[in-house]
Amino acid sequence: GEEVAQTPKHLVRGEGQKAKLYCAPIKGHSYVFWYQQVLKNEFKFLISFQNENVFDETGMPKERFSAKCLPNSPCSLEIQATKLEDSAVYFCASSPGWRETQYFGPGTRLLVL
Amino acid sequence: QQQVKQSPQSLIVQKGGISIINCAYENTAFDYFPWYQQFPGKGPALLIAIRPDVSEKKEGRFTISFNKSAKQFSLHIMDSQPGDSATYFCAARGQAGTALIFGKGTTLSVSS
Repeated sequence: GEEVAQTPKHLVRGEGQKAKLYCAPIKGHSYVFWYQQVLKNEFKFLISFQNENVFDETGMPKERFSAKCLPNSPCSLEIQATKLEDSAVYFCASSPGWRETQYFGPGTRLLVL
Repeated sequence: QQQVKQSPQSLIVQKGGISIINCAYENTAFDYFPWYQQFPGKGPALLIAIRPDVSEKKEGRFTISFNKSAKQFSLHIMDSQPGDSATYFCAARGQAGTALIFGKGTTLSVSS
């Protein structure tokens, strides 16, 4: 597609439950990025992929967060045992090359109760 | 440690006026400086971007001014319109990485 697609739009989880978010990059884009936006404005980079390979995971919390990009499937971001502070909007972005413009999806709003 | 500092936090401008948003950075390894526009409930969309080898870039009503020695860059929106009302984020990216480092955003309101 010509836009980054993210599902679901909204996700509500009880503390301790698992959350799984999905991202379909723009067709032909090799790079996928995940960002977390908290308190409406603060963006935090989580992880990036080149095709199915992790490219940069410097922002990824090691313990409860994991991500994958498998061939012919949407990329996913999974949070095990969610905590209240995981409540945020999670954005996926894609780009044709690692130094090129990043195009953002509409985000998934996660609320942990 | 905030690597990209953005100001002001909010801005009110009359229709037809000039909106100016400023950003400062510390890391001299940054080599790409984009500005994103975000409407409520939407993802950020690239407005305009600049690299440090130029001091100014203009696209329509939007201009980036870049001062490498001062490590500052700014967004100017000429003839501001109510449709420009949104949150604007400056960002920076280093030579070796893919992560965009965002400022904290400026909420612009253009009154008609």
